[in-house]
Amino acid sequence: KQEVTQIPAALSVPEGENLVLNCSFTDSAIYNLQWFRQDPGKGLTSLLLIQSSQREQTSGRLNASLDKSSGRSTLYIAASQPGDSATYLCAVDGGSTLGRLYFGRGTQLTVWP
Amino acid sequence: GAGVSQTPSNKVTEKGKYVELRCDPISGHTALYWYRQSLGQGPEFLIYFQGTGAADDSGLPNDRFFAVRPEGSVSTLKIQRTERGDSAVYLCASSLRHRVINEQFFGPGTRLTVL
Repeated sequence: KQEVTQIPAALSVPEGENLVLNCSFTDSAIYNLQWFRQDPGKGLTSLLLIQSSQREQTSGRLNASLDKSSGRSTLYIAASQPGDSATYLCAVDGGSTLGRLYFGRGTQLTVWP
Repeated sequence: GAGVSQTPSNKVTEKGKYVELRCDPISGHTALYWYRQSLGQGPEFLIYFQGTGAADDSGLPNDRFFAVRPEGSVSTLKIQRTERGDSAVYLCASSLRHRVINEQFFGPGTRLTVL
């Protein structure tokens, strides 16, 4: 069974810092890896999707990398802002069960002014 | 609609009652997914529909849980004889379901509380 782990569980930083959130998964036979943002009491907002054939994806201040062979992904957030405060979830799709996402527990990020 | 919608947003029920949770996917999305999220956890997969049929229901915890998608669009998750342990946020997602690109878009969720 696919297991997804996210480190750290929580992170609190001052505004302006560059951040790295880590995600690891046990079964490297994936099709996609998706990063989400979840605000308190809300659903999930898709941030980036990386296909298994890709090494990275960028959207604005966000950059996600994927090393499929080692089972790792990182989400890099540049010049963090208080509005970035949320929980960030990593999920992988594929392996033996197509379409089903396996999620980590998330990293709870707080950016203070 | 513009995004995935779910109703109700909150549902409070008593132990032993029956509940239905509804999901309206993004128009044109053929795949629909249900997940359950407990406090402090990541979402856990329940069931996946491709069109009208359940392609994978292996995440349903027991036979009290059932889901339908009769016309390939709206889906209803049904829970019989609810238990306190069923309390969670139930999330629905939809996607266009290409073979290798399967970006899932989530609704706001239904918060179920079983007293």
